[in-house]
Amino acid sequence: NAGVTQTPKFQVLKTGQSMTLQCAQDMNHNSMYWYRQDPGMGLRLIYYSASEGTTDKGEVPNGYNVSRLNKREFSLRLESAAPSQTSVYFCASSARPTEAFFGQGTRLTVV
Amino acid sequence: GDSVTQMEGPVTLSEEACLTINCTYTATGYPSLFWYVQYPGEGLQLLLKATKADDKGSNKGFEATYRKETTSFHLEKGSVQVSDSAVYFCALSETGGFKTIFGAGTRLFVKA
Repeated sequence: NAGVTQTPKFQVLKTGQSMTLQCAQDMNHNSMYWYRQDPGMGLRLIYYSASEGTTDKGEVPNGYNVSRLNKREFSLRLESAAPSQTSVYFCASSARPTEAFFGQGTRLTVV
Repeated sequence: GDSVTQMEGPVTLSEEACLTINCTYTATGYPSLFWYVQYPGEGLQLLLKATKADDKGSNKGFEATYRKETTSFHLEKGSVQVSDSAVYFCALSETGGFKTIFGAGTRLFVKA
């Protein structure tokens, strides 16, 4: 029962570096999401994919890109990391309109 | 747009005390409502949900009732335990939509 798997769990980047956060789900869910969690801000939606082949911007998409590689996988890319992107990133999936299932998170620090 | 407002924390209680975490929402349609819990170092997991007005969700001694007239979904537990220490998020899922909107979260500390 893997559920939603995110890699890596921790990452430190230098300003200007790029990286891709990976996410895979094995629940055959159509919808997948990327959120960031910051102290006092709750979870803010970065991008989502309602179904395979579609992606849409959420609340805070600037500085990020996404790829819905197939039904299982949804990656988040930071092209040029900035200190403001220091956060905990969560991937989630759902079979709408039911609840979302979350991964364990990626703690990213940009120095 | 749709939004969720929940009480600020942290909330500190002694073991066996009663808990209420307030949550109100703004939505144009008839959303589904959720409470998620996040234990230290982990992702969020669903605690309970309600999909229509007057529904009561319950799990692990926690409960919340979907009140359309007051647009509220307050989380309650009659007797908290140390193991309930976590961050609790109220959330709504838009009617016919794809997004889940979260409140800012309320941190609960329970002392032995």
